[in-house]
Amino acid sequence: DTQMTQSPSTLSASVGDRVTITCRASQSVDLWLAWYQQKPGKAPELLIDQVSNLEDGVPSRFSGSASGTEFTLTISSLQADDVATYYCHQYSLYPISFGGGTKVEIK
Amino acid sequence: QLQLHESGPGLVKPSETLSLTCSVPGASVSSFHYWWAWVRQPPGKGLEWIGTRSYHDSAFYNESLKSRLTIYLDSSNQFSLRLDSVTAADTAVYYCAVRSGYGRAFDVWGQGTMVTVSS
Repeated sequence: DTQMTQSPSTLSASVGDRVTITCRASQSVDLWLAWYQQKPGKAPELLIDQVSNLEDGVPSRFSGSASGTEFTLTISSLQADDVATYYCHQYSLYPISFGGGTKVEIK
Repeated sequence: QLQLHESGPGLVKPSETLSLTCSVPGASVSSFHYWWAWVRQPPGKGLEWIGTRSYHDSAFYNESLKSRLTIYLDSSNQFSLRLDSVTAADTAVYYCAVRSGYGRAFDVWGQGTMVTVSS
């Protein structure tokens, strides 16, 4: 099974800061890596799939990248509306799996 | 744009069977390009994949649930989950979701339905 190790588990930053969330896969997932945003009481929403493909309507301050089995979600300039929990997700191999989540707060 | 809507009981007794339905108005679950899934989230915890089914492929299940789980396409525009012998550990918000094309992740989700297992 492919384990997804996400860090940090919580993150506190100021509005305008550049924020980076990392997810490491225990084996290759090729390009099949996605990021979701989940706000309290709501369903997750897809931000990015295939490592860096931004979903329609997602602000361009969000971006995704990869280096081997390490994947990164970057928010270039944190906004108040970005307060949420973010999850990475590999859908390369069954069983598909999610990272443990990163809760992003405003300092 | 696809929309998904979960329905089912909010409360289930221990050892009983949980049945949930996901309606997909205006779309067909037999479409070649869709992979239908269930994901759950226990209170205060992260996301757990339950299983995925498509019209043209086998069902894939979370190994930890496999012996109690069935996901099936039960009409032209809905799919369902059946989880037998539930315990308190199955208490969670249950989401249905879909991959709407090859290479896509779960790009559409239902609003979620809370299921509590309690006597």
